[in-house]
Amino acid sequence: GIQVEQSPPDLILQEGANSTLRCNFSDSVNNLQWFHQNPWGQLINLFYIPSGTKQNGRLSATTVATERYSLLYISSSQTTDSGVYFCAVGVAEYGNKLVFGAGTILRVKS
Amino acid sequence: DAMVIQNPRYQVTQFGKPVTLSCSQTLNHNVMYWYQQKSSQAPKLLFHYYDKDFNNEADTPDNFQSRRPNTSFCFLDIRSPGLGDAAMYLCATSPVLAYNEQFFGPGTRLTVL
Repeated sequence: GIQVEQSPPDLILQEGANSTLRCNFSDSVNNLQWFHQNPWGQLINLFYIPSGTKQNGRLSATTVATERYSLLYISSSQTTDSGVYFCAVGVAEYGNKLVFGAGTILRVKS
Repeated sequence: DAMVIQNPRYQVTQFGKPVTLSCSQTLNHNVMYWYQQKSSQAPKLLFHYYDKDFNNEADTPDNFQSRRPNTSFCFLDIRSPGLGDAAMYLCATSPVLAYNEQFFGPGTRLTVL
């Protein structure tokens, strides 16, 4: 099956710093989503981005489908950005089930 | 607002006592998914419904069953919960099977005593 690798596994930032999270995947995908899991366990949709670039406020994401990777940029980080960031990919022939990476744990210090 | 709702948010059950988790959606999506997320792990798909068509993942234990009585509701039944079934259970929906974003509910955290 498809493999999804996220890096780094852990990241500690000072408030106001910028960061880049990476997601590599092993095969062509039809769906790629970035999530933020908050302390209560809810998965918050950040981006649906099987290809291209999107921006939403301080967050932006880029997926280069031909090279099988995606990047999530967080600028001017805030303590509320802390949590786990997951990349998940879906392949149409497998019912678009999402296969998740192991996640990046982000801690933003004030 | 259109959304995915899960009840209850927290569920405590006893070892071996059947439990049912509920998911409802106001998005009118055709596909509903159930994921299991154990502590410090990524979510893992258990099964999904495309309309009334049920699709089980190969490694989902027989202890886990699901029902979808109508478009809006989907239930996860755990027939005889073991200690290893303690986890967060996440319901998600999408309009169709491919090329579409999945939307997640807030989850139900299951504790097995």
